[in-house]
Amino acid sequence: EVQLVESGGGLVQPGGSLRLSCAASGFTFSKHWMTWVRQAPGKGLEWVANIKEDGSEKNYVDSVKGRFTISRDNAKNSLYLQVNSLRAEDTAVYYCARGTVSAPRSAFDVWGQGTMVTVSS
Amino acid sequence: QSALTQPPSASGSPGQSVTISCTGTSSDVGAHNYVSWYQQHPGKAPKLMISELSKRPSGVPDRFSGSKSGNTASLTVSGLQAEDEADYYCSSFAGSNNLVFGGGTKLTVL
Repeated sequence: EVQLVESGGGLVQPGGSLRLSCAASGFTFSKHWMTWVRQAPGKGLEWVANIKEDGSEKNYVDSVKGRFTISRDNAKNSLYLQVNSLRAEDTAVYYCARGTVSAPRSAFDVWGQGTMVTVSS
Repeated sequence: QSALTQPPSASGSPGQSVTISCTGTSSDVGAHNYVSWYQQHPGKAPKLMISELSKRPSGVPDRFSGSKSGNTASLTVSGLQAEDEADYYCSSFAGSNNLVFGGGTKLTVL
């Protein structure tokens, strides 16, 4: 079964850090762009970052540049998002998602269940 | 990058058709066909319904279709069914290797 499972979310104080993980199974992880998308409580979806199959290209939404770092370990079939200098507005469910073969940076056909990050003092 | 503009709500009776719009600019929606649509039920992860403007992934009913005119993309749901009630989001590749989503449309089946 093709699956993505996120972990690592939690309650953190403003200015704090977390490392989100996404474990992939059931497909050849190293052949897909991967993306993080977040959704604040009661709000819409927001693209956060993506990473090329081999990790050689990474892109970020402006609001997280310099604070978030996306990475992957193809040997472990895992995607990561290091989130630093967290702000209240970063509070959201964070989803990892797989890019399709023909539209790897713009269409996501497999999603995880999400991990909740809450930034509060 | 600004979010794409979607109507907050849409509705239709079972069996009817409903169209949800997604308006962007000549730099995103109008620039290419990398527009996708997602369905999200409460408490669930989004599900890809349409990719590359009009392609339906395997398993998505052909009641769902996508199109575009200028800077506005549209998702049409024909033969509405109760299970189609959900939030729908469009997205578009926005250049500079960014992606932008619409604000979402809550579809109600009356």
